[in-house]
Amino acid sequence: QIQLQQSGPGLVKPSQTLSLTCAISGDSVSSNSAAWNWIRQSPSRGLEWLGRTYYRTKWYDDYAVSVKSRMSITPDTSRNQFSLHLNSVTPEDTAVYYCARGGSGITVSIFTYWGQGILVTVSS
Amino acid sequence: EIVLTQSPGTLSLSPGERATLSCRASQSVGSNFLAWYQQKPGQAPRLLMYAASSRATGIPDRFSGSGSGTDFTLTISRLEPEDFAVYFCQHYGTTPPWAFGQGTRVEIK
Repeated sequence: QIQLQQSGPGLVKPSQTLSLTCAISGDSVSSNSAAWNWIRQSPSRGLEWLGRTYYRTKWYDDYAVSVKSRMSITPDTSRNQFSLHLNSVTPEDTAVYYCARGGSGITVSIFTYWGQGILVTVSS
Repeated sequence: EIVLTQSPGTLSLSPGERATLSCRASQSVGSNFLAWYQQKPGQAPRLLMYAASSRATGIPDRFSGSGSGTDFTLTISRLEPEDFAVYFCQHYGTTPPWAFGQGTRVEIK
């Protein structure tokens, strides 16, 4: 049974860095048949795919154009988790953030497992 | 980048009725790589369908999907109380980014 457990602060000040972690159980962050994603949801932007990391003999990552210059996703193999770092946040980054697992091949972007979501508010 | 437009925004129906939800893509979705998710308040989205018409594990057969190219439909044959939720479509593939539709809310009439 694959489960994703998210953790991180619910309030971040403008211009600071938003950091969230997704702990994986029942699978491995280094799996060759999985991809580990961050997706956010807000009333103004709906569901928005932000980025992913995955391992296929080496680590890869991809990011949405809207956040590419500000975002990084880092895997932690020792703790079997991955983290989102989004810097220079503004109130427009206020959203519920989800981590989600995709598969491999054509299923890489079918999100079968999701974390519980964390509402992150950007406010001073 | 594909843009997905869902209609209607809200569907007001009674339990036992049939629900028909539409998802239209701005360009052809290759190989019917179209998924549907259900989201209830306070929960993460849940995968219902993939490849336009294949049910995900554990999804009851009152849910069905159809369509190809740019026009896709999710049908719930007889609404159960637990089916009142928001539904999203998503196109998928091997190359990001991947977009979601804005959602259709199915509410109790």
